[in-house]
Amino acid sequence: AQSVTQLGSHVSVSEGALVLLRCNYSSSVPPYLFWYVQYPNQGLQLLLKYTSAATLVKGINGFEAEFKKSETSFHLTKPSAHMSDAAEYFCAVSDGRNTPLVFGKGTRLSVIA
Amino acid sequence: NAGVTQTPKFQVLKTGQSMTLQCAQDMNHEYMSWYRQDPGMGLRLIHYSVGAGITDQGEVPNGYNVSRSTTEDFPLRLLSAAPSQTSVYFCASSTRPGPNVVTEAFFGQGTRLTVV
Repeated sequence: AQSVTQLGSHVSVSEGALVLLRCNYSSSVPPYLFWYVQYPNQGLQLLLKYTSAATLVKGINGFEAEFKKSETSFHLTKPSAHMSDAAEYFCAVSDGRNTPLVFGKGTRLSVIA
Repeated sequence: NAGVTQTPKFQVLKTGQSMTLQCAQDMNHEYMSWYRQDPGMGLRLIHYSVGAGITDQGEVPNGYNVSRSTTEDFPLRLLSAAPSQTSVYFCASSTRPGPNVVTEAFFGQGTRLTVV
């Protein structure tokens, strides 16, 4: 069975500072990994996905994530936070078979001016 | 292209009432799922379907029913609403995953349900 742990339910950063949102996964098979973003009162939007083609994955809005098998991690980063990045971020895992995505509990990102 | 459409966007029910949350997708996706989102709990899977006529239970199926008679539609039925079912409900769809094929889920805008 797959599972995802997101460390920190709330992260606060200053505008222009590095954003680091942590995600660790558990999977019995090579996982497919995703980061989604949810803006207030909206649905979830895909930020990026790990396809096994490259361990460093670039997504939209300047975000990227690095897959580290040895650490079972897929942390999300952005070099410089912007006010518009304030949202909730979800890490998700799939085994690529007939089961839907399994989500972490989410991390709310606040950006302080 | 509408993507995944959920109706209604908001709903208030009285305890014991039943209702159906609608979900439709126009991307010809085989896979469809229902999640509920509660504060601090992330998204939890209620039911899912891998194709027309095929459904299965997720993590929190009790009190909900689904059917999949067409590829496009995947309605979620609340049989007898309870305050514990107050939540935001999301429908998602995706193509079939496979070897070296990474499929992303597309989400609707959600239905905010309050049971009083």
